[in-house]
Amino acid sequence: GAGVSQTPSNKVTEKGKYVELRCDPISGHTALYWYRQSLGQGPEFLIYFQGTGAADDSGLPNDRFFAVRPEGSVSTLKIQRTERGDSAVYLCASSFTGGRNTEAFFGQGTRLTVV
Amino acid sequence: SQQGEEDPQALSIQEGENATMNCSYKTSINNLQWYRQNSGRGLVHLILIRSNEREKHSGRLRVTLDTSKKSSSLLITASRAADTASYFCATDFTGGSQGNLIFGKGTKLSVKP
Repeated sequence: GAGVSQTPSNKVTEKGKYVELRCDPISGHTALYWYRQSLGQGPEFLIYFQGTGAADDSGLPNDRFFAVRPEGSVSTLKIQRTERGDSAVYLCASSFTGGRNTEAFFGQGTRLTVV
Repeated sequence: SQQGEEDPQALSIQEGENATMNCSYKTSINNLQWYRQNSGRGLVHLILIRSNEREKHSGRLRVTLDTSKKSSSLLITASRAADTASYFCATDFTGGSQGNLIFGKGTKLSVKP
């Protein structure tokens, strides 16, 4: 596709359940990023992939959060035992190279609501 | 928190007027970026200014950077109703990975026709 695609666009889940959020980056982009944005706040960094490997996962809040990118393209963010505080918009972005000063293209996000 | 701060938090102007938003940050940076967000969803990259640059222009946008004051400003000239959105600054800070941008809380701009 032309842009970064995230699915689903909205997800409502019950507290304690497991969820997966998917990101399809722009074709050929080697770098992929996940951010989380709570209401009224700016996005917060979660994890950055360069190819298949997580180059920086320092933003993952705890071990309930995990992300993979097995073939260096699509990425899945996995959240176990969801809590109400996990409710947020989860944003994915990709960029062509791994270098600094490179524009990142964001998807429309997945709005996760934990009830 | 290393998060940057934008001010004002909200700005309301008439179409045709200029809008100025400011951003302050706390740590040394490699570059600073400005993004726009409509309706709390996808972010659109507007402009990137490197730490060794002082000013940059793109269309109706003008960004300045003062690394001695750890601050940046975004000026939108001749605003339009379609410019209504939230605007965020994000810093690529020295010592962080290239993917780890620190975003501020944003300025909510409303341009009235």
